[in-house]
Amino acid sequence: DQQVKQNSPSLSVQEGRISILNCDYTNSMFDYFLWYKKYPAEGPTFLISISSIKDKNEDGRFTVFLNKSAKHLSLHIVPSQPGDSAVYFCAASAGGGATNKLIFGTGTLLAVQP
Amino acid sequence: ETGVTQSPTHLIKTRGQQVTLRCSSQSGHNTVSWYQQALGQGPQFIFQYYREEENGRGNFPPRFSGLQFPNYSSELNVNALELDDSALYLCASSLLAGITYNEQFFGPGTRLTVL
Repeated sequence: DQQVKQNSPSLSVQEGRISILNCDYTNSMFDYFLWYKKYPAEGPTFLISISSIKDKNEDGRFTVFLNKSAKHLSLHIVPSQPGDSAVYFCAASAGGGATNKLIFGTGTLLAVQP
Repeated sequence: ETGVTQSPTHLIKTRGQQVTLRCSSQSGHNTVSWYQQALGQGPQFIFQYYREEENGRGNFPPRFSGLQFPNYSSELNVNALELDDSALYLCASSLLAGITYNEQFFGPGTRLTVL
């Protein structure tokens, strides 16, 4: 039962262009969503998050959009840089801060071409 | 401020053996979560420890067990290893305080290979 889905295993983008990574979820109890970035041989690094009471959160080049009715969120990176090349995981949590248990998607490998 | 550390980095075991993985949480954090990441998959939640007590468990059998110590460091123990246990094991620490969600900070992981 895959509650968090990332349907694109990979994405290739030219440097300077926008990268859009997508994520769908099925559990309406999720109230907090996060994006993590992972380089090989390292643990996931927190990138940006959004609470279910918001529909947009922005941090520099990174913006996360949440569409609750569609149970869909997306991460926009603009402009994309070669250093952004990594695996991006979407994750979700339910129950506020009570457990902090994260449900992850399978990841999308982003390649930013110079 | 030191980040989350895990040991060992790599480990090779044979089927049926037992293994212990270790995690030191980030300073000021009181919660440690363990995740299993199989090849090509996202991390899957194993369990979480908060103030030395188990505080939530994923869909893993009882041969996966854990401990949290008074300094908030943690161990993950896996008994009767199976080939499918081969994965990257990630530890994440966070501060659990009220209803506010606080981000989890991950260690670099331990790569376990079961032969």
